[in-house]
Amino acid sequence: DQQVKQNSPSLSVQEGRISILNCDYTNSMFDYFLWYKKYPAEGPTFLISISSIKDKNEDGRFTVFLNKSAKHLSLHIVPSQPGDSAVYFCAASAPGSGGGADGLTFGKGTHLIIQP
Amino acid sequence: GAVVSQHPSWVICKSGTSVKIECRSLDFQATTMFWYRQFPKQSLMLMATSNEGSKATYEQGVEKDKFLINHASLTLSTLTVTSAHPEDSSFYICSGSGRARGPDTQYFGPGTRLTVL
Repeated sequence: DQQVKQNSPSLSVQEGRISILNCDYTNSMFDYFLWYKKYPAEGPTFLISISSIKDKNEDGRFTVFLNKSAKHLSLHIVPSQPGDSAVYFCAASAPGSGGGADGLTFGKGTHLIIQP
Repeated sequence: GAVVSQHPSWVICKSGTSVKIECRSLDFQATTMFWYRQFPKQSLMLMATSNEGSKATYEQGVEKDKFLINHASLTLSTLTVTSAHPEDSSFYICSGSGRARGPDTQYFGPGTRLTVL
């Protein structure tokens, strides 16, 4: 079963407008959420993250919102630029048992296309 | 961010042969390395977690005897797909995490495309 869900396989947005990518999760143990950007045949690049104790985190054009009660998070990109065209993955992490970094659970990704 | 490399970037092999994929952290010491697998149009699936000098911890459903992981140094981890079959064809991605704890310190490699004929 998919614990992290990105229900929109693709999203097309006009340059300069706001892009909103959505992500839902089912595991209430997740306490850290991340967004990654990925180009074909490349590894994911970290974009922004948010801890479950917060509901918003902003970094430049990127803002992530977390709604814990709805188990939903979203990534807002504004203004959208052509270079933002890529696949965006939502990922989540639950507390590890022995400390150290933890493996991530990824969604299937949303292909964002920015149209000029 | 930190740099992680993978070698080879793509490999084609015959069914029944073994393939080794290397993952290196180039400018930091990766105390923990992760191996993920991505099938077309699917999410990245965590296969295993390895801490330097320790045995890897495999996720449920991943055969440890088929996917051999070695993390002998702080800058190198290897994944060996033994007796590869066509269903093992996939995109394999590693990530490394340094001594600072936290999931956002994972840095991903560029991936290795494995095709088994």
